[in-house]
Amino acid sequence: NAGVMQNPRHLVRRRGQEARLRCSPMKGHSHVYWYRQLPEEGLKFMVYLQKENIIDESGMPKERFSAEFPKEGPSILRIQQVVRGDSAAYFCASSQVNEKLFFGSGTQLSVL
Amino acid sequence: GENVEQHPSTLSVQEGDSAVIKCTYSDSASNYFPWYKQELGKGPQLIIDIRSNVGEKKDQRIAVTLNKTAKHFSLHITETQPEDSAVYFCAASRGNAGNMLTFGGGTRLMVKP
Repeated sequence: NAGVMQNPRHLVRRRGQEARLRCSPMKGHSHVYWYRQLPEEGLKFMVYLQKENIIDESGMPKERFSAEFPKEGPSILRIQQVVRGDSAAYFCASSQVNEKLFFGSGTQLSVL
Repeated sequence: GENVEQHPSTLSVQEGDSAVIKCTYSDSASNYFPWYKQELGKGPQLIIDIRSNVGEKKDQRIAVTLNKTAKHFSLHITETQPEDSAVYFCAASRGNAGNMLTFGGGTRLMVKP
């Protein structure tokens, strides 16, 4: 049973470009969460999704950031017009209903 | 919202000694408290968790204690080994498990051989 799969592992973008981060949850998991981690800091909640629904996006910046979890395919975290401050590790986690969160290996986003 | 404080930020112990990491939380409605271990370049790995109806839980060399009245919980690692070296994060949530975890700032544990 494969774990949470994130790709790419590393993503380099220039300022103003778009970044797309993908997350495939563990088999049987219908809940996906995105977290951001800055160097030497803890993980900050961004958004919680179920299939085709955003349940809570209270941690998402109001502009440039969006997330989706379509009926088919992986969850996508999209960052438009990236700035240097977006450089961070982005982690996806998945769970079954009211069960434990399991994390992927993350995507390290570097904005030049 | 929930606020989780974690101490110490770094901890160095000799192999074989015990390590204790402490967290406090602010939301009295939180009832699920997991601990994650993160190695360099990897995602957080769940190592143990505790729910609010339990005061202590043990799994081999690791144990977690919870004091709901004081709103704090602790991770105890006994007989530490070099492979225990990593960053450890505590977290809290209102859900039965998972959902929107609020994480502490992390503790870098170094076990010296």
